[in-house]
Amino acid sequence: DAGITQSPRYKITETGRQVTLMCHQTWSHSYMFWYRQDLGHGLRLIYYSAAADITDKGEVPDGYVVSRSKTENFPLTLESATRSQTSVYFCASMGTVNYEQYFGPGTRLTVT
Amino acid sequence: QKEVEQNSGPLSVPEGAIASLNCTYSDRGSQSFFWYRQYSGKSPELIMSIYSNGDKEDGRFTAQLNKASQYVSLLIRDSQPSDSATYLCAVKETSGSRLTFGEGTQLTVNP
Repeated sequence: DAGITQSPRYKITETGRQVTLMCHQTWSHSYMFWYRQDLGHGLRLIYYSAAADITDKGEVPDGYVVSRSKTENFPLTLESATRSQTSVYFCASMGTVNYEQYFGPGTRLTVT
Repeated sequence: QKEVEQNSGPLSVPEGAIASLNCTYSDRGSQSFFWYRQYSGKSPELIMSIYSNGDKEDGRFTAQLNKASQYVSLLIRDSQPSDSATYLCAVKETSGSRLTFGEGTQLTVNP
């Protein structure tokens, strides 16, 4: 199906574990983004990518790693999860015609 | 620090009324503005985009932009209980691809 998907939708992990959140889009959008959303902070940009193999830090990149080997995929890795990374994570993609960003369904991550 | 400020909520309106949501932004060079609707537990959904001064209508929704005043608003006419959600204003940075989001305004439409 066309659109943007995220997996897993829910994840519980322990402090110190590595966890990877997946994002896949079928629109061939150049840009992809990772946000986290927490009460009191709204949506905060973690990392973004303008194209395959081009990534850049956002507002809150510490503790996260991204890669983009293919245009359609943009995984986000927490190398050593901490409780402060408990959040809802949204992936988004954007074309370059009208700059409209479309969000995936989100991943709710709990770090115990 | 580029900022986007939205009118503090929560906002409560009766069914059938007009709901008015407001947003101001600090980046004077911004050219692209967006309104998202987010239901509780769901992801943000794009409902309006506006790029030029004036009004843009889509069904019951009207976005209004005034670049001189650095102000963008969203009007929802004939509000329905299904419009109850948090509305996020987003502004694209002048050069680049990033959006800055406001904190959101929670709207409740009472039957």
